[in-house]
Amino acid sequence: SQQGEEDPQALSIQEGENATMNCSYKTSINNLQWYRQNSGRGLVHLILIRSNEREKHSGRLRVTLDTSKKSSSLLITASRAADTASYFCAPGFQGGSEKLVFGKGTKLTVNP
Amino acid sequence: DGGITQSPKYLFRKEGQNVTLSCEQNLNHDAMYWYRQDPGQGLRLIYYSQIVNDFQKGDIAEGYSVSREKKESFPLTVTSAQKNPTAFYLCASSFGRTGQSSYEQYFGPGTRLTVT
Repeated sequence: SQQGEEDPQALSIQEGENATMNCSYKTSINNLQWYRQNSGRGLVHLILIRSNEREKHSGRLRVTLDTSKKSSSLLITASRAADTASYFCAPGFQGGSEKLVFGKGTKLTVNP
Repeated sequence: DGGITQSPKYLFRKEGQNVTLSCEQNLNHDAMYWYRQDPGQGLRLIYYSQIVNDFQKGDIAEGYSVSREKKESFPLTVTSAQKNPTAFYLCASSFGRTGQSSYEQYFGPGTRLTVT
């Protein structure tokens, strides 16, 4: 199906450690977005990486994209308790409309 | 203060009643979306609209209806035909133009609907 699949489903780390989440998809994309959702809230856009980009940074976030492997990763460096949330990837597929398809996400817990 | 709002935050209804969830945006976005999220699950697309007076079914449209009479508003009605309506409902909007790459979506705070 046309959606990203995040891995792992859950991740628990200590404050200060790095957190890495992965996203895989099946068909060609124009771009890929990452979103964060705090418990009981709406999603917040984190970063968009285009298909011709390999890496993008935003503050403590680093996103990589490997179109040959159809995968992306989100790295959060020096994690904080406030980073505790679910993280979703949303591939923007070629020939698709504006709709995005979200997977089940990675639930990140950062322990103080 | 630009943004996307949903009301109410919590909504309780009896089984068999229709209920309408509100979604308003002042971001001048063309596209608007409704998602449903069940506990521990991802988002599933119910309906989306890329322009006023037009909308398309998403993956789980059965039992739901929408209208898009104004650019700013995209209300969702959960009808009595929806078998399991208790869920968290999220509205989103984006610049979205047909044929363009996917744009960033801005989400509202969500409405938690409980039907008993």
